[in-house]
Amino acid sequence: GAVVSQHPSRVICKSGTSVKIECRSLDFQATTMFWYRQFPKQSLMLMATSNEGSKATYEQGVEKDKFLINHASLTLSTLTVTSAHPEDSSFYICSARRQVENTIYFGEGSWLTVV
Amino acid sequence: AQKVTQAQTEISVVEKEDVTLDCVYETRDTTYYLFWYKQPPSGELVFLIRRNSFDEQNEISGRYSWNFQKSTSSFNFTITASQVVDSAVYFCALTDYNTDKLIFGTGTRLQVFP
Repeated sequence: GAVVSQHPSRVICKSGTSVKIECRSLDFQATTMFWYRQFPKQSLMLMATSNEGSKATYEQGVEKDKFLINHASLTLSTLTVTSAHPEDSSFYICSARRQVENTIYFGEGSWLTVV
Repeated sequence: AQKVTQAQTEISVVEKEDVTLDCVYETRDTTYYLFWYKQPPSGELVFLIRRNSFDEQNEISGRYSWNFQKSTSSFNFTITASQVVDSAVYFCALTDYNTDKLIFGTGTRLQVFP
């Protein structure tokens, strides 16, 4: 079964609105989670590192005010795309390390379409 | 800088053929992890294998096998007797021991025809 879960799996929003995507570790605690973005037929690019109880660390070129990350608990990180534009339409996916296996698992991903 | 290269963008095979997906990596770290993930059309990333840089033993899991060659910085993935359900995009990825940030290759799209 899933180890990391994301919600929603698909979302459509209007330009200018904000949308929140959740990433949950299901049976383990994750002090750190990661958010990636994937455009169609392209590879995954790391956007940011979500740190429980502190500010996220963003990769170069990623607007922190546009992609708000909150990691309020040891099992939940959220990514909020603010003032969404059509060019933000993409596949967003999160990951976390499950210590017992020392393996990085990914959520199911979230398809965002901004119209 | 770290980099992962998957030179094969797309491979097509007929069912029951064997297929090898190539992965070449670059890193200055002496300790690191290598991964393979499968991404079916639905989008989720399915974990296939993790290999640390100290372990050069090849691994076999059912129809899947992996060949890790540190001397050539390669971590190739072979599917034996391919099946239609193997059709997906396969990503090779790299991370060092101190971080869980994954550096992905560009992926190889595998199509297995009946």
